[in-house]
Amino acid sequence: SQQGEEDPQALSIQEGENATMNCSYKTSINNLQWYRQNSGRGLVHLILIRSNEREKHSGRLRVTLDTSKKSSSLLITASRAADTASYFCATDGMDSSYKLIFGSGTRLLVRP
Amino acid sequence: EAGVAQSPRYKIIEKRQSVAFWCNPISGHATLYWYQQILGQGPKLLIQFQNNGVVDDSQLPKDRFSAERLKGVDSTLKIQPAKLEDSAVYLCASSSRLGGIYNEQFFGPGTRLTVL
Repeated sequence: SQQGEEDPQALSIQEGENATMNCSYKTSINNLQWYRQNSGRGLVHLILIRSNEREKHSGRLRVTLDTSKKSSSLLITASRAADTASYFCATDGMDSSYKLIFGSGTRLLVRP
Repeated sequence: EAGVAQSPRYKIIEKRQSVAFWCNPISGHATLYWYQQILGQGPKLLIQFQNNGVVDDSQLPKDRFSAERLKGVDSTLKIQPAKLEDSAVYLCASSSRLGGIYNEQFFGPGTRLTVL
């Protein structure tokens, strides 16, 4: 079963705008990770946030984590056409033998 | 540093045939994962190895899927016989640590399997 569920399923924005994707999960976690997948390619790790962290930044990416609500958000600022991809959250659960459980993803389209 | 290598990139077979996928993880990575990704969904873990031992294969359909990681490096995933619903991308990933707070995984490009 999939633990992380992303919202929205699809997002279309204009280049230069910000994109926000949300992820909800069900069980306690060690960490939560975000991955990007370009069409027909493998996944690329973007950022990892630990369960005791609330916010993390990496370049144009900002991730927040609210363990009380079991939710996370990924913000991409000043989006570019090259950001067009699917974005997945993945949880490393405390009770799941260290395996990552992926959500179903948000498909982001950035229009030039 | 070389990434995770997978082959073949594409495979088309008929149902009831057999198929095998190969993965070479990043050098020194002890943990290796095989995922199945059906179109429009997120990756689903099939099997997880630590060195050459299986850590988790709870979602591997063992009546038709098998995997091995001899010598704790390369791995092969086999499907025999294939069904139509096995059409998916099969992703291999590796990581340097087993779980904890450093479980960043590195993915290969995947093998796209089409079963006709």
